[in-house]
Amino acid sequence: GQQVMQIPQYQHVQEGEDFTTYCNSSTTLSNIQWYKQRPGGHPVFLIQLVKSGEVKKQKRLTFQFGEAKKNSSLHITATQTTDVGTYFCALNDYKLSFGAGTTVTVRA
Amino acid sequence: EPEVTQTPSHQVTQMGQEVILRCVPISNHLYFYWYRQILGQKVEFLVSFYNNEISEKSEIFDDQFSVERPDGSNFTLKIRSTKLEDSAMYFCASSVNRGQGAHEQYFGPGTRLTVT
Repeated sequence: GQQVMQIPQYQHVQEGEDFTTYCNSSTTLSNIQWYKQRPGGHPVFLIQLVKSGEVKKQKRLTFQFGEAKKNSSLHITATQTTDVGTYFCALNDYKLSFGAGTTVTVRA
Repeated sequence: EPEVTQTPSHQVTQMGQEVILRCVPISNHLYFYWYRQILGQKVEFLVSFYNNEISEKSEIFDDQFSVERPDGSNFTLKIRSTKLEDSAMYFCASSVNRGQGAHEQYFGPGTRLTVT
């Protein structure tokens, strides 16, 4: 089945700084979803992208789907301690196929 | 807000024993899933279930695993003879519909299974 790869695996961010995590596939994706998992928690849906070049914003989070629909990114501005957790991208192909995730830690 | 619930939160069992993990999906959802996450790794799909039958299963979901919806609310995952490598967090999820680009899946808090 299709696989999605995420980079970086870990992201250590100074509070207030921005960062971006990337999700890539070798094949065209019909959609991409993003989930956040807090430490010790469960995945929580953030957003779904379907259209080529789509950009969606949620407060300080900006999600983008590439023009070729082979990659996606999540950009967080002005990182806060509440942003700590693992961010997963996932392909919804009648089941969720998750990437390995980017684990974010924040230095206050 | 409706949520998926799972019991128990933590299950410790001896190798070779049977375990049943329980889930109550969101009431108006029609599609149910089990995923697992080995510590520090990504979330892996096990099985999806609709209309009282399995829709899809992964290679992980071998003959040792089974799922059941014994009544109108519960959704269970049974592991017949647990192995050490079955130790993981097991998440139940449900969704209103299913398919490419469909709605999000709602995850329960998970059951941490420890096989000794």
